[in-house]
Amino acid sequence: GQQVMQIPQYQHVQEGEDFTTYCNSSTTLSNIQWYKQRPGGHPVFLIQLVKSGEVKKQKRLTFQFGEAKKNSSLHITATQTTDVGTYFCAGPSSGTYKYIFGTGTRLKVLA
Amino acid sequence: DADVTQTPRNRITKTGKRIMLECSQTKGHDRMYWYRQDPGLGLRLIYYSFDVKDINKGEISDGYSVSRQAQAKFSLSLESAIPNQTALYFCATSDLSRSEQFFGPGTRLTVL
Repeated sequence: GQQVMQIPQYQHVQEGEDFTTYCNSSTTLSNIQWYKQRPGGHPVFLIQLVKSGEVKKQKRLTFQFGEAKKNSSLHITATQTTDVGTYFCAGPSSGTYKYIFGTGTRLKVLA
Repeated sequence: DADVTQTPRNRITKTGKRIMLECSQTKGHDRMYWYRQDPGLGLRLIYYSFDVKDINKGEISDGYSVSRQAQAKFSLSLESAIPNQTALYFCATSDLSRSEQFFGPGTRLTVL
C-alpha cells in the first residue's frame, strides 16, 4: 500500500541552528500537507502544497514540494525553542480524500 | 482546537472490556476521522466518515468499530480491548471544500 516516510525520526539542534525534515511518498501525490504537534498537544495544520516545485514560506519556515510530486521538505531557519515538537507530512491516498500521514520528525531545540 | 472535543481525555481499562471514545464537533464539517498515534509510527487512520451515511475502514480497523450518530458526532468503540490498543487516539474533522484537518485534544487509552 501507499507509504509516506519521513527522515530523520529525531533531530536535536542548538537554538539558532537550521533544521530540515524530508518527506517521501511511494506514489505521486496530488497535494501534500504539513502539521505540527507540540509536546502533549494535538496536530495543527500548517500548510498545503499543490503544484509541482511549489515553494511557500511562513516566517522562518520554508516548505517545498518536489518536481515529481513524490517528496517534500520543511526547512526552519534559525530555530527557536518555540519550534519544538513533531512535524508530520500527509498526502492523500490515491483516488480518495483520506490522508496518509508520515512517521513524523521530532525536533528538540536546545537553548 | 476547542471546536473538536473528545471524551474521555484519559482512560485506563482492563483487557476484554468494551470501551467507547466519543468525538463531537461544532465546526459543521461533514468529514470525520479517527486516528491512533504510537511512538515512531505517526498517525494511522482507523476509520473515516464523509457523511452520516458513509463509514469507511482505514489502515488499521481490525478490533475497532465506529458509529456516526449525527453530523457532529463520531464514536470509536473497542469491543474487547487488548493491551496493544494502548495508544493516543485522535479525532479529526475536515470540510468538503478544504482538506485541512482539525484535530481534537486526544484520548490517552491504556489497556492493562
